[in-house]
Amino acid sequence: KNEVEQSPQNLTAQEGEFITINCSYSVGISALHWLQQHPGGGIVSLFMLSSGKKKHGRLIATINIQEKHSSLHITASHPRDSAVYICAVSIQGAQKLVFGQGTRLTINP
Amino acid sequence: NAGVTQTPKFRILKIGQSMTLQCTQDMNHNYMYWYRQDPGMGLKLIYYSVGAGITDKGEVPNGYNVSRSTTEDFPLRLELAAPSQTSVYFCASSYSDPTDTQYFGPGTRLTVL
Repeated sequence: KNEVEQSPQNLTAQEGEFITINCSYSVGISALHWLQQHPGGGIVSLFMLSSGKKKHGRLIATINIQEKHSSLHITASHPRDSAVYICAVSIQGAQKLVFGQGTRLTINP
Repeated sequence: NAGVTQTPKFRILKIGQSMTLQCTQDMNHNYMYWYRQDPGMGLKLIYYSVGAGITDKGEVPNGYNVSRSTTEDFPLRLELAAPSQTSVYFCASSYSDPTDTQYFGPGTRLTVL
């Protein structure tokens, strides 16, 4: 079993819909990251969370440390949000990130 | 401020050939990483460095070598390329440990035939 599991693996929605992507992990962590990989392949960091909730524009990320679960929400989704969203955790005491397999999101106009 | 740059963008190698993937960052970051991304799989850590002169293995180091002689550069060497090394390679950097935001290069798509 992977240490980091994302769901769903693929998600197709219509423009304007509210999107939720989930990430569960099975190890002790220092932080959780959400990343976005554009269709061209570039990867950018969206959020780093160690507790609670963060918001940036239409994106909201939450984490529940006790339940070992995080969610990424997109409000008023737009076709330009189409990308692969990747969850990664910084394992306690280790100098590395462990990545989920990614969620491919497609927003249709 | 170019961020993290990688060269080349694409490369085709024959089995048994060697090559070096270049990675440079201009943000004065201490930590640098090499990842590979295989289709349908999450990114896997190959090697990382916490500062000039210090490197360590990640999850999938076999078939690769690294060096870190300067803060800016972290080249990845492939010796005796094999088809299993066909992948997209990403270099990344962060100012401090993996709790810090990582900045990724554009990637190198490598095919070994």
